[in-house]
Amino acid sequence: GENVEQHPSTLSVQEGDSAVIKCTYSDSASNYFPWYKQELGKRPQLIIDIRSNVGEKKDQRIAVTLNKTAKHFSLHITETQPEDSAVYFCAAKRSGGGADGLTFGKGTHLIIQP
Amino acid sequence: GAGVSQSPSNKVTEKGKDVELRCDPISGHTALYWYRQSLGQGLEFLIYFQGNSAPDKSGLPSDRFSAERTGGSVSTLTIQRTQQEDSAVYLCASSVRVRSTDTQYFGPGTRLTVL
Repeated sequence: GENVEQHPSTLSVQEGDSAVIKCTYSDSASNYFPWYKQELGKRPQLIIDIRSNVGEKKDQRIAVTLNKTAKHFSLHITETQPEDSAVYFCAAKRSGGGADGLTFGKGTHLIIQP
Repeated sequence: GAGVSQSPSNKVTEKGKDVELRCDPISGHTALYWYRQSLGQGLEFLIYFQGNSAPDKSGLPSDRFSAERTGGSVSTLTIQRTQQEDSAVYLCASSVRVRSTDTQYFGPGTRLTVL
């Protein structure tokens, strides 16, 4: 089955700086890669996603890049703000329906230092 | 509109007891997923439903776990003879369809503690 590795497990950046979180996946059949943000005690919330027919997607301060050949994708947050502090999860899903669910990375705890 | 809801929000039980966790998906969503999140870990996929179809149970961690979905809407996850390692947050998600690229929206979860 699919295996998703996520790095780093903890990332501390100064407010205003950029943050990058990287994930690799193993199943070349995966074609959907969402990123979820989870604040303490809250539900995971989708912040951005990318499909395998696209190499990059941007939404204001957040961008995701995908390299299908290398099987890795990254989340980029620019001009970080205190409210960006949370745990971020990458995930991958293969084509062919829902039977496999989403396979998640173990998460990155992003800390924005004031 | 209303999002995915789950009940109870917290459940404390004794080892060996059975528990039932409930999920109400977003209205009109035909696909429903259950995940488990252990402390400090990512989310582990357990099972999914597409409409009223029988689910694929291969992702469930043991035969003590079962799930059903009545009328293509509400789902119940049942854990029999609970063990301490079952302690986790159980999250439900729904999507419009079961296509791989459909966004999954998560509920708030049920925190299960097995003493």
